[in-house]
Amino acid sequence: GAGVSQSPSNKVTEKGKDVELRCDPISGHTALYWYRQRLGQGLEFLIYFQGNSAPDKSGLPSDRFSAERTGESVSTLTIQRTQQEDSAVYLCASSLNRNSGNTIYFGEGSWLTVV
Amino acid sequence: AQSVSQHNHHVILSEAASLELGCNYSYGGTVNLFWYVQYPGQHLQLLLKYFSGDPLVKGIKGFEAEFIKSKFSFNLRKPSVQWSDTAEYFCAVSTGGGNKLTFGTGTQLKVEL
Repeated sequence: GAGVSQSPSNKVTEKGKDVELRCDPISGHTALYWYRQRLGQGLEFLIYFQGNSAPDKSGLPSDRFSAERTGESVSTLTIQRTQQEDSAVYLCASSLNRNSGNTIYFGEGSWLTVV
Repeated sequence: AQSVSQHNHHVILSEAASLELGCNYSYGGTVNLFWYVQYPGQHLQLLLKYFSGDPLVKGIKGFEAEFIKSKFSFNLRKPSVQWSDTAEYFCAVSTGGGNKLTFGTGTQLKVEL
C-alpha cells in the first residue's frame, strides 16, 4: 500500500478484555516495529520483526503483550486482560530492512482507551 | 541503554521567530540521530536524519540540525518559523547499526500569527 495502515483507528475496551491491533506495513518492507505512546510521554519501543529472524521483544512491558507477524506482511499486536495503564496510542512502523540507513515510516496509530 | 532528553516540552513562538529545540542523548558509541514531526491529525514523519559526515544536516521545510558529538546534542533549528510549523517534534536515536529508535518525550511547538 501507499503507507503503513493500522486498524482500528480507535478502540474503547473494558478493563480485563483482550484487544487485537492490526498493522499492514508498506509493501516490500521487511522490518516492522510497534511503539506505544502514552499521554504526555515519548514513544516507547515494544517489538520489532525483521524478515524470518526472531523478533526483538525487549520492549514488551509484560507477558500480557504479544505480537505476531506472518512472513513479511501483516502484524497483530495482542493485549490480554487489558488494564487502564494500557491506554495509549499504539504506533506501527515499517522500513525496507533493519539497516540504520533506511527511513522508518509510521502509521497513524491505534488509539486504545481502557475503561 | 541509550536515552534521549528533550528539555523543552512546550514552545510558543510568533511567526518569523527563530526556533531551536534541544535534544541530548546518552550513549557513548556510534549513533544515528533523527528528528520526527507530527502535525495535528497526521502521522509521524521524518524531518531529517544524521548518520555520518557533515554534522550540519538539512531537512525538509527549512529545518536543520547540528550534531555536536562533544555535547551529545542534536538540536533542531529553523531561522524563521511559520504558523504551519505548529506540531509536535520528536528527537530519536538509534545505535549499533540497527534501526530500533529511542525517542525523546517530544516538544509541542505552537506558532502564533
